[in-house]
Amino acid sequence: ETGVTQTPRHLVMGMTNKKSLKCEQHLGHNAMYWYKQSAKKPLELMFVYNFKEQTENNSVPSRFSPECPNSSHLFLHLHTLQPEDSALYLCASSQLSGTGSSPLHFGNGTRLTVT
Amino acid sequence: DAKTTQPPSMDCAEGRAANLPCNHSTISGNEYVYWYRQIHSQGPQYIIHGLKNNETNEMASLIITEDRKSSTLILPHATLRDTAVYYCIVRGYGQNFVFGPGTRLSVLP
Repeated sequence: ETGVTQTPRHLVMGMTNKKSLKCEQHLGHNAMYWYKQSAKKPLELMFVYNFKEQTENNSVPSRFSPECPNSSHLFLHLHTLQPEDSALYLCASSQLSGTGSSPLHFGNGTRLTVT
Repeated sequence: DAKTTQPPSMDCAEGRAANLPCNHSTISGNEYVYWYRQIHSQGPQYIIHGLKNNETNEMASLIITEDRKSSTLILPHATLRDTAVYYCIVRGYGQNFVFGPGTRLSVLP
């Protein structure tokens, strides 16, 4: 149990579908993140939310749309994806602090397959 | 780009100490060194972090050289369950966590 829960764990979707990934953190943190991990590649940062406000969009295509309704929940809305978007999508949270030393805590990810 | 350099793979015998090196020669004074590991199909797991002093917790020890240009993560008694990819990350205030390819540690029976 990492304190960060992602659902669903696995998702298969067609290129014309619309789906959403959900992340919930139970750690009382105030920052949340989406990362993408493609096969045999390092983790890539997608979005950062601090106190529910988006502070980073790492040149992510608009077919990925994040939503952060409060500090505990983060969504990633997906539409008209491509097969190359198949990957492990990881959510993380952290506590913003004055020293900036707080580590990230990750969920176990959603394995997405686009057919 | 990641600010660290790690060997792509290492082996360790079960029960022995695993010493994983990381080079971060361009580290700044306010940047911390973090270690994570990722077991197949799971999210990265936080292990330990430090600024300049050596740190120890229930999982591992972190040894940072005096000039802070390199560090070593030590798993004192490696088990088969420690087989994973280990990531060394340097991060300062306001910066994001940038993951490199890490070191694939194989603990052998």
